[in-house]
Amino acid sequence: ETGVTQSPTHLIKTRGQQVTLRCSSQSGHNTVSWYQQALGQGPQFIFQYYREEENGRGNFPPRFSGLQFPNYSSELNVNALELDDSALYLCASSLQGSSYEQYFGPGTRLTVT
Amino acid sequence: DQQVKQNSPSLSVQEGRISILNCDYTNSMFDYFLWYKKYPAEGPTFLISISSIKDKNEDGRFTVFLNKSAKHLSLHIVPSQPGDSAVYFCAASANTGNQFYFGTGTSLTVIP
Repeated sequence: ETGVTQSPTHLIKTRGQQVTLRCSSQSGHNTVSWYQQALGQGPQFIFQYYREEENGRGNFPPRFSGLQFPNYSSELNVNALELDDSALYLCASSLQGSSYEQYFGPGTRLTVT
Repeated sequence: DQQVKQNSPSLSVQEGRISILNCDYTNSMFDYFLWYKKYPAEGPTFLISISSIKDKNEDGRFTVFLNKSAKHLSLHIVPSQPGDSAVYFCAASANTGNQFYFGTGTSLTVIP
């Protein structure tokens, strides 16, 4: 059974740029959630995708967008990067119906300068 | 607005003793609660959960207690082991389970 993987591991971007983060779900999981974890904070829910459709969104502006592909892998896109976007971005996969048990990837550390 | 709070940033416990990690929440609509453990450079790992219809759930050394009237839950680890040293997050969800609210975490250190 393959776990959740994320790429890249680390990323440095400049304010105003755009970034794409990638996530591969655990085998058999059809739901992906994305979280932002700032330093010293708990993960904050960005949005969830189920069968390629957005299935819930947290309090994040529209410049945070996502995609889920037919193989259930997912992307998180952030436009017009701001310094406060510097954080660890986590994705978690789950099986809809058992979505309470989410399996997290190791995260992508984004630094915006 | 922090709907899930973990007021103790850190906790140190001797090996073999009980570790008690606490979590408070403000939203009375929350009906499912989870604990995650996180090691450095890894994503959080699901540990144990409890639904609001129960007040206790046990899994080996880990027990979660839920006090709905106080909007409080706690995680008991007994006996504590050095490998339990990690950051512990509690999380809560309402109804649909597609949005989880996390606390800020408690860093547990188990001293051999």
